[in-house]
Amino acid sequence: TQLLEQSPQFLSIQEGENLTVYCNSSSVFSSLQWYRQEPGEGPVLLVTVVTGGEVKKLKRLTFQFGDARKDSSLHITAAQPGDTGLYLCAGSYSSASKIIFGSGTRLSIRP
Amino acid sequence: DTAVSQTPKYLVTQMGNDKSIKCEQNLGHDTMYWYKQDSKKFLKIMFSYNNKELIINETVPNRFSPKSPDKAHLNLHINSLELGDSAVYFCASSHPGTGYNEQFFGPGTRLTVL
Repeated sequence: TQLLEQSPQFLSIQEGENLTVYCNSSSVFSSLQWYRQEPGEGPVLLVTVVTGGEVKKLKRLTFQFGDARKDSSLHITAAQPGDTGLYLCAGSYSSASKIIFGSGTRLSIRP
Repeated sequence: DTAVSQTPKYLVTQMGNDKSIKCEQNLGHDTMYWYKQDSKKFLKIMFSYNNKELIINETVPNRFSPKSPDKAHLNLHINSLELGDSAVYFCASSHPGTGYNEQFFGPGTRLTVL
């Protein structure tokens, strides 16, 4: 059973377009993280959201935590080829519990 | 450079062999992890150690044995390698004091079992 489902699984868009990636669960998390992984490397933390309804911005990336803390979204404005990679959401039930990773979204930005 | 490092980067071996992967972090973190990422890029936790003590042990075959000589090192030994063990193995560390278990990953070890 996959506790954290991401959609879409794959996304290929043109440079300059906007996109949204979703991370959904039936479980409530105390915090949720987004990572980006490039080929041949480990995932790198982008952001952590902890409060229901919280919105965080990282340059052209906007992250939102759902009001019920069961889901999250990542919106990228004016996508660039450098945004290409595997995006992973990850949820935590508490500071003492393990992190559960989502199924991943492979994003490809065409020049 | 402060980081999580793993060796080797690539490991190609025959079925039935025994191999080890080493991990070191110089971030001063208390907790270290081993993850397995399969061909579909799904990342699953295998083990977690906090200050050399095993705290998470997922449903992993007994052929996999982690060892933490000190809180900066976490090694993974795999006995009697099988074809299904082929994957990328990531070491990670975190500092629970932040409250969010944010993970800092190593570059991964790509294991290929022939």
